[in-house]
Amino acid sequence: KAGVTQTPRYLIKTRGQQVTLSCSPISGHRSVSWYQQTPGQGLQFLFEYFSETQRNKGNFPGRFSGRQFSNSRSEMNVSTLELGDSALYLCASSLDGSGSYEQYFGPGTRLTVT
Amino acid sequence: GESVGLHLPTLSVQEGDNSIINCAYSNSASDYFIWYKQESGKGPQFIIDIRSNMDKRQGQRVTVLLNKTVKHLSLQIAATQPGDSAVYFCAEKGSSYKLIFGSGTRLLVRP
Repeated sequence: KAGVTQTPRYLIKTRGQQVTLSCSPISGHRSVSWYQQTPGQGLQFLFEYFSETQRNKGNFPGRFSGRQFSNSRSEMNVSTLELGDSALYLCASSLDGSGSYEQYFGPGTRLTVT
Repeated sequence: GESVGLHLPTLSVQEGDNSIINCAYSNSASDYFIWYKQESGKGPQFIIDIRSNMDKRQGQRVTVLLNKTVKHLSLQIAATQPGDSAVYFCAEKGSSYKLIFGSGTRLLVRP
């Protein structure tokens, strides 16, 4: 069974631009969560989607948004990029998020904002 | 490879020795805990989990201990191998559908 895939793996953007990152969960997984990882703040929860609905949201500004499609694939968008948005963005999938909650992570997208 | 944390606490152990990585969690209402391993350039990898109604769970070469009284979690790795070198994160889940991660510990295995 294929793992979680994220595209692109690396991205360089300039301040003020917007970016869209994509995540394909493991087949059959319906829950997708997004995390931001930086050396200073560690792993921080962005949001979680289940059946195309956002079930939970972390403490990030409204510039960060996401969505989930009917095939469980998910995208996150960051508008008006700031230098501090440079980070590794990780996507994780789980079966339904309410059971064992064993999450499987993708390799991440490394975003650099210049 | 990518660095996941420039100033992480580091545990250095000799190959073959046992490793113990500790974690303090914040929410006494958390009911589920997970340990993840992250190697350079990769996403976190699930190692083992434990529910709050247990105080110990064993896997292959790994054991997780949970002490709810002091909100402490530990990961024990038996016969540590060079391939165990990585950053280890504990994570807790409360009533919401999100995991809260600890800051991580870097494990270095000396040959």
